[in-house]
Amino acid sequence: DAGVIQSPRHEVTEMGQEVTLRCKPISGHNSLFWYRQTMMRGLELLIYFNNNVPIDDSGMPEDRFSAKMPNASFSTLKIQPSEPRDSAVYFCASSDRTDTQYFGPGTRLTVL
Amino acid sequence: KQEVTQIPAALSVPEGENLVLNCSFTDSAIYNLQWFRQDPGKGLTSLLLIQSSQREQTSGRLNASLDKSSGRSTLYIAASQPGDSATYLCAVSKYPYSSASKIIFGSGTRLSIRP
Repeated sequence: DAGVIQSPRHEVTEMGQEVTLRCKPISGHNSLFWYRQTMMRGLELLIYFNNNVPIDDSGMPEDRFSAKMPNASFSTLKIQPSEPRDSAVYFCASSDRTDTQYFGPGTRLTVL
Repeated sequence: KQEVTQIPAALSVPEGENLVLNCSFTDSAIYNLQWFRQDPGKGLTSLLLIQSSQREQTSGRLNASLDKSSGRSTLYIAASQPGDSATYLCAVSKYPYSSASKIIFGSGTRLSIRP
């Protein structure tokens, strides 16, 4: 298996632009997580899905952030409009029924 | 509110030493605890997952223990090698991921093994 796939790996954009991050979980995994990592705040859970349904989005910082999982093999995290303080590394992870999480390589987002 | 603390924030030891990394959590009502490794610029790799009913898990040179009542977990690394240099994070979850749960991460311990 190729593991969790995230795209793009790096994204540089200007403040106010829309940003879409993409994730393909490991085939057969039923849970998917979006995280944000910064030096100041460490690793934070933004939202997670179980069987394509959002279970907990309490970590989503504000309405500018939205996430979707239209099917078991694809999820997106969208920021609209983006702000410089959104600059971070965004990770996607998936897990199976054993609860072991498998992380993707991350997307490094820079908002100028 | 669950808080997870890892002390020290950084640790440097010579190659070959056995070492212990610490993780503490404030709410003992957890479902599981997981140890991860993160290399610079990379994602996290799961090392060991301990269910709340377990006391320890072992994988190769790694041994993780869990004491729920005291809110502590340790990650023991035997015969450390330069390749073990990385940041190690622990994370706790109150429920299975398939239920309403929120996983909380510690800030990590940055480990450096000197050749």
